[in-house]
Amino acid sequence: DGGITQSPKYLFRKEGQNVTLSCEQNLNHDAMYWYRQDPGQGLRLIYYSQIVNDFQKGDIAEGYSVSREKKESFPLTVTSAQKNPTAFYLCASTPKSNQPQHFGDGTRLSIL
Amino acid sequence: KQEVTQIPAALSVPEGENLVLNCSFTDSAIYNLQWFRQDPGKGLTSLLLIQSSQREQTSGRLNASLDKSSGRSTLYIAASQPGDSATYLCAVRRGGLRNAGNMLTFGGGTRLMVKP
Repeated sequence: DGGITQSPKYLFRKEGQNVTLSCEQNLNHDAMYWYRQDPGQGLRLIYYSQIVNDFQKGDIAEGYSVSREKKESFPLTVTSAQKNPTAFYLCASTPKSNQPQHFGDGTRLSIL
Repeated sequence: KQEVTQIPAALSVPEGENLVLNCSFTDSAIYNLQWFRQDPGKGLTSLLLIQSSQREQTSGRLNASLDKSSGRSTLYIAASQPGDSATYLCAVRRGGLRNAGNMLTFGGGTRLMVKP
C-alpha cells in the first residue's frame, strides 16, 4: 500500500534536547511538508521541500530544522531552541502538479 | 496575509440531518480550496478539492461550493451519519506566481458530532 509513514507515534523531549521526527513516503511524490497542529487549531506550515536537496521555511520555522537527502524521506528535528514544542506534528506530500496533499498519521510530541 | 476562518467551531446534530459547514478567507487570490476530514489523533484525509475556476464539487453525500468573490466556501453534508463525526478543516492554496510549493493556509476546523 502506498502512503506516508510517520514515526514514532508518541515522543517525549527533555529540556535542552533535540529530537527528530521521521516521515517516509512511497508515493513517489516530489513535494513534502511539515505542519504543526495545536489543540483546537488548524495546521501551520513549518518547512516544505519541492525537490531533493532543497527546502524552504514555512510560517513557523524558528526552532526547527529539516533535511531532504532522499526523495522518500523528510525528517524534522525539533531543536532545544523551540521553547514550546508540545504539539501534534503532521507530515504531508504531493505530486508536483496541482493535486491534494496526502497526510501521515502524525507524531504527538510532549515535554517531560 | 491570507486568513481562513471556520464557523462554527463545534456542531452537534441528530442523525439524518442535512448540515452546512462554513469557511471564509480574506484574500480571494487563491488557486484552489480543499476540505479535509480529521479523526481524533489522526492525520487529514482529503474530501474535496475545488479549483479557483470551479463553483462546486461533489462526492457522494458531500458537496462543496466556492465563491471566490465573497471569500466563502461551504461543505454540505446530506443525511448525516454517526460515522461523519470528525473535525472538518478547509484550506486554501495560496495564490501568486511564486507559490509553486502548493502551500496551504488552514482554518481552525469545525468539530462535528452526529448523534444516533
